[in-house]
Amino acid sequence: ETGVTQTPRHLVMGMTNKKSLKCEQHLGHNAMYWYKQSAKKPLELMFVYSLEERVENNSVPSRFSPECPNSSHLFLHLHTLQPEDSALYLCASSQQGQGSTEAFFGQGTRLTVV
Amino acid sequence: AQKITQTQPGMFVQEKEAVTLDCTYDTSDPSYGLFWYKQPSSGEMIFLIYQGSYDQQNATEGRYSLNFQKARKSANLVISASQLGDSAMYFCAMRDGNAGNMLTFGGGTRLMVKP
Repeated sequence: ETGVTQTPRHLVMGMTNKKSLKCEQHLGHNAMYWYKQSAKKPLELMFVYSLEERVENNSVPSRFSPECPNSSHLFLHLHTLQPEDSALYLCASSQQGQGSTEAFFGQGTRLTVV
Repeated sequence: AQKITQTQPGMFVQEKEAVTLDCTYDTSDPSYGLFWYKQPSSGEMIFLIYQGSYDQQNATEGRYSLNFQKARKSANLVISASQLGDSAMYFCAMRDGNAGNMLTFGGGTRLMVKP
């Protein structure tokens, strides 16, 4: 069982829908991340939250909106997505700063936009 | 520019044999960390092994070892005594100060273990 839990595991949504991906970490880490994994492309870092503040936004389209209400939870709100947004979305957490650790990943949400 | 390069899109290995997965990296930061992750078909990224740039010895974790050649900027993963359950995607990643200590991933290598 992983210390990082993502829900849902699978999601199919239309281009006009609004949905949210949820991530929860039980490891006491101070940083959380969203990655996008498309077929035949390296993992792309989308957003980073450190101590609940967004510190990285890699030119992600505004149709993706992250939210980090506390250090244990991270959301990715989705609206008016495109078919090319279909991918595996991975959440991760780590400890940054003193005593930094490797990133621990959730099992991902496989998103299909139709 | 690509910072992490994995030149083997796919590899086969016979069960119980050893296999080496290649990874080269590029950074100007003298302090960095190198990671290997395994991603089975379930999608989860599983941490395997870590090598720090100042570590004097190659990292080892059970059947996994990292062949760290600093001058060549390579950090190859060696899996000994391959098992069928080792079939998965393997990703090399780097964390350095130039990227704000974020992980940068390579394109991955798909390993297939044959019985």
